[in-house]
Amino acid sequence: GAVVSQHPSWVICKSGTSVKIECRSLDFQATTMFWYRQFPKQSLMLMATSNEGSKATYEQGVEKDKFLINHASLTLSTLTVTSAHPEDSSFYICSAPTQAYEETQYFGPGTRLLVL
Amino acid sequence: DQQVKQNSPSLSVQEGRISILNCDYTNSMFDYFLWYKKYPAEGPTFLISISSIKDKNEDGRFTVFLNKSAKHLSLHIVPSQPGDSAVYFCAAAYQGGSEKLVFGKGMKLTVNP
Repeated sequence: GAVVSQHPSWVICKSGTSVKIECRSLDFQATTMFWYRQFPKQSLMLMATSNEGSKATYEQGVEKDKFLINHASLTLSTLTVTSAHPEDSSFYICSAPTQAYEETQYFGPGTRLLVL
Repeated sequence: DQQVKQNSPSLSVQEGRISILNCDYTNSMFDYFLWYKKYPAEGPTFLISISSIKDKNEDGRFTVFLNKSAKHLSLHIVPSQPGDSAVYFCAAAYQGGSEKLVFGKGMKLTVNP
């Protein structure tokens, strides 16, 4: 079946540094990918829609200059958390829809970010 | 303002019995609904979906029912197995499951042997 990978799975960084998270679709192409964020015991909240070859679309309240998204190819989207602070600590998950299967999305395994 | 609500945070059932997970939504523009299963520190795994033009969709032990007039959907798992123990998320979309999803808060299902 379709697989979406994320790298890294875990990252710990110091406050003020930037962290890049990669999301890859492994056996299908994705012109669109979605980035979600989940706080403990909370729902997954959509942050932005990553579009291959164009700018990402951000949800209301999400700072586009802080969460930089680049969709460089049909199989790769990256999320960069710039100047990370402890409140950015969270679980970040990407997803990619595919029309080749039942209309749905496949999610990556997630990236746990801890900012000290 | 939560557009997709899973009002019960947890459910515990005995192995072999039916598990019924409920979900309510407020936005009548949603036209596609999905259920995902999630383990801690992992991404959600797709279970089953339903289009608003249907009222039932079945896949093995999983059946999703949609009541559009009540803006309510439910996931039935029969028979429940211990391996079904996980957090289940209900999600809704405006234009099909390939578009951005609005998730409920999730419900923790525990199936006891």
